Amino acid sequence: QVHLVESGGGVVQPGGSLRLSCAASGLTFSSYGTHWVRQAPGKGLEWVAVIAHDGSNTHYADSVKGRFTISRDNSKNTLYLQMNSLRAEDTAVYYCAREKGTGTYYVLDYWGQGSLVTVSS
Amino acid sequence: DIQMTQSPSSLSASVGDTVTITCRASQSIGTFLAWYQQKPGTAPKLLIFHASSLQSGAPSRFSGSGSGTDFTLTINSLQPEDSATFYCQQSYSTPLTFGGGTKVEIK
Repeated sequence: QVHLVESGGGVVQPGGSLRLSCAASGLTFSSYGTHWVRQAPGKGLEWVAVIAHDGSNTHYADSVKGRFTISRDNSKNTLYLQMNSLRAEDTAVYYCAREKGTGTYYVLDYWGQGSLVTVSS
Repeated sequence: DIQMTQSPSSLSASVGDTVTITCRASQSIGTFLAWYQQKPGTAPKLLIFHASSLQSGAPSRFSGSGSGTDFTLTINSLQPEDSATFYCQQSYSTPLTFGGGTKVEIK
């Protein structure tokens, strides 16, 4: 059974930093690309970033480029999202999600429960 | 960036009805299109990938079709548990983009 569990969310002031973690179990974590997707309160889904299975390649949404960094530690089965220079518009539930696998890149078949980040003074 | 446009934004239908949701991409994406279902307070759940492939565990009343720029999600014989918001997502290229969502309510 695949499980993804996010942690590290909370309330932070504008301009502040926060690091989210996503602990994976029940899968060979190092075999899959993994993503962060966010959802502002009452709004739709917004893709944030992706990292290749081995960490060799990353891509970001323009809205977070230069402020957020996605990384992974395959020895710990953990995905990270370092968020700097946070803005009010970054307030959202952040989900980590796994790619389905070879031949189905960018299709997200397992999602965590989400971690709420609130940027407010 | 590829823009994804869903319609309608909401609909209300009765149990047993057939419901159709459409999704249009701003450029051709082949069949690199996925559909997700999200219920309030929960994470999205993958229903359909590659435009028409049913994800393991998803009920067979869900089906997808289309290619290029125009896609459709069909729910046959709508059930009470299908009350949710549905999103399309292009899996063609980064940045990945989602449609704005279609909220399905049961009359």
